[in-house]
Amino acid sequence: EVQLVESGGGLVKPGGSLRLSCAASGFTFSSYSMNWVRQAPGKGLEWVSSISSSSSYIYYADSVKGRFTISRDNAKNSLYLQMNSLRAEDTAVYYCARERRGATRNDYWGQGTLVTVSS
Amino acid sequence: EIVLTQSPGTLSLSPGERATLSCRASQSVSSSYLAWYQQKPGQAPRLLIYGASSRATGIPDRFSGSGSGTDFTLTISRLEPEDFAVYYCQQYGSLCSFGQGTKLEIK
Repeated sequence: EVQLVESGGGLVKPGGSLRLSCAASGFTFSSYSMNWVRQAPGKGLEWVSSISSSSSYIYYADSVKGRFTISRDNAKNSLYLQMNSLRAEDTAVYYCARERRGATRNDYWGQGTLVTVSS
Repeated sequence: EIVLTQSPGTLSLSPGERATLSCRASQSVSSSYLAWYQQKPGQAPRLLIYGASSRATGIPDRFSGSGSGTDFTLTISRLEPEDFAVYYCQQYGSLCSFGQGTKLEIK
């Protein structure tokens, strides 16, 4: 069974940093691109970042470019999101999601981890 | 950047009725890169449709997707009580983006 479990969320002050993790199991992690998607309270889904299976290709939304860094450790079946210079508008539930290629889509999602940026 | 606009923002229908949700792209999107998701309160999104018209594993056949170019549609042929939720379209043709969502509520 495919499982994605996020961790690392919490309360952080504006300007602070946080590192999110996503532990993957039930599939060959090293064969899939992975994404981070976030959802602010009461709002819609926003794509944040994508990383290819071997980390060769990395993409960011303009809203986080230069502040967030996506990475992965295929030996540990783990995906990460390093978030620096956090702002109030980064407050959201952050989901990791597996990217299925061919007809590209996110076929599995974690349960999400809440990041709150507030003083 | 491709902007996806969903309409209507809220759709009020009764169980048993047919629902038609629209997703319009600011520029043409390959059908291979258009997906639909369902999200219920407190839950992660669930993949419904990919490649504009292919149902994901385990999705009932009352859900169908269609469209091409800039106009895509999600149709729920006969609403069940569990179908009332928020629906999002997503494109991967140019990076990735989501529509703002359509809330399907019970009338």
